[in-house]
Amino acid sequence: AQTVTQSQPEMSVQEAETVTLSCTYDTSESNYYLFWYKQPPSRQMILVIRQEAYKQQNATENRFSVNFQKAAKSFSLKISDSQLGDTAMYFCAFMRASSGDKLTFGTGTRLAVRP
Amino acid sequence: NAGVTQTPKFRVLKTGQSMTLLCAQDMNHEYMYWYRQDPGMGLRLIHYSVGEGTTAKGEVPDGYNVSRLKKQNFLLGLESAAPSQTSVYFCASRRGYTEAFFGQGTRLTVV
Repeated sequence: AQTVTQSQPEMSVQEAETVTLSCTYDTSESNYYLFWYKQPPSRQMILVIRQEAYKQQNATENRFSVNFQKAAKSFSLKISDSQLGDTAMYFCAFMRASSGDKLTFGTGTRLAVRP
Repeated sequence: NAGVTQTPKFRVLKTGQSMTLLCAQDMNHEYMYWYRQDPGMGLRLIHYSVGEGTTAKGEVPDGYNVSRLKKQNFLLGLESAAPSQTSVYFCASRRGYTEAFFGQGTRLTVV
């Protein structure tokens, strides 16, 4: 079974600064997908970024980027120029690239952006 | 642009009561999921479905049943609610190898 570990239950960052959230996973699969989801106080789950394991290039979405280290099974999220609206719970998730598979989530990191 | 819609958004049950949570998606997605979210535990998979008429157990299926009679709907049932089932429940759907889209969640309290 796949496992996803987020070792930072809570983090804090000053507005406009950069913060990195950690995620490691355990799998014997070679082809899979990784995701970061954001859950603001509204409770809605919002996709932040997605990475395909077969792609060596790290995914980026505006101020959000990942550092994907396949050999180390590490998938960290970097948020640049942090904004107050980035305050949320962040979940890392794993999905095998096989038909019908499901998302396995980490326990989450609560990020607070200080003004 | 509805996406994934969960009904109801909030519910309070007494121990032993039953209820059904409804998830509806209008994106023609094959796969649908029910998760529960508890503090410090992330999202844990309860049951899922890979297509109309099919269901499978997830990580924490005990005490829950599901049905997917129509492709767009996925129902989660609690036959005899227990306080341990107090949680926030999320439905999600996806197609192929795309990301999952989530409903807005249902906060259930069992007293």
